Amino acid sequence: AQTVTQSQPEMSVQEAETVTLSCTYDTSENNYYLFWYKQPPSRQMILVIRQEAYKQQNATENRFSVNFQKAAKSFSLKISDSQLGDTAMYFCAFKRGGSNYKLTFGKGTLLTVNP
Amino acid sequence: KAGVTQTPRYLIKTRGQQVTLSCSPISGHRSVSWYQQTPGQGLQFLFEYFSETQRNKGNFPGRFSGRQFSNSRSEMNVSTLELGDSALYLCASSLVSDQYNEQFFGPGTRLTVL
Repeated sequence: AQTVTQSQPEMSVQEAETVTLSCTYDTSENNYYLFWYKQPPSRQMILVIRQEAYKQQNATENRFSVNFQKAAKSFSLKISDSQLGDTAMYFCAFKRGGSNYKLTFGKGTLLTVNP
Repeated sequence: KAGVTQTPRYLIKTRGQQVTLSCSPISGHRSVSWYQQTPGQGLQFLFEYFSETQRNKGNFPGRFSGRQFSNSRSEMNVSTLELGDSALYLCASSLVSDQYNEQFFGPGTRLTVL
């Protein structure tokens, strides 16, 4: 079974600064995908960024980027130029490859961006 | 294109009752998954449906069941409610042809069991 661990229950950052959220996972699979989801207060969960395990290049989406270390089974999220709207719960998630739709989530990191 | 919709948004039930939650996926999405979100256990996978068939199931008791209709809409049923069933129930839909099987989440149904 896969497990996803987010070791930082809460983090805070000043507006315009950079913050990194940590995520480690455990799996024996070779084909899998990793995701970061954002859940703002009282709003629905949305996908922030995704990474395919077989791609060595780290994914980037505007101010969001990941540091994917496959051997270390680490998948951290870096948010640059933090904005107040980035305040949310962030979940790291794992999905096996193939026709498998089950996401295994970490417990989440509550990020607060301070003005 | 409309997003994933879930009804009702809020529900209050008492122990022993049963409840049915509904999820309408994004148009064209044929896979629907359900998750339970609680402060203690986090997000846990309940089950996934595709073409009216349950393909994957999480580690939940048989009191939790679901089904999918021919138009891909899905319902989840919980019988004999317990206090511990209080949670946010999230539905997610996915476009089957997408290699990532990216899931788009609805706003959730907040179930409170008294």
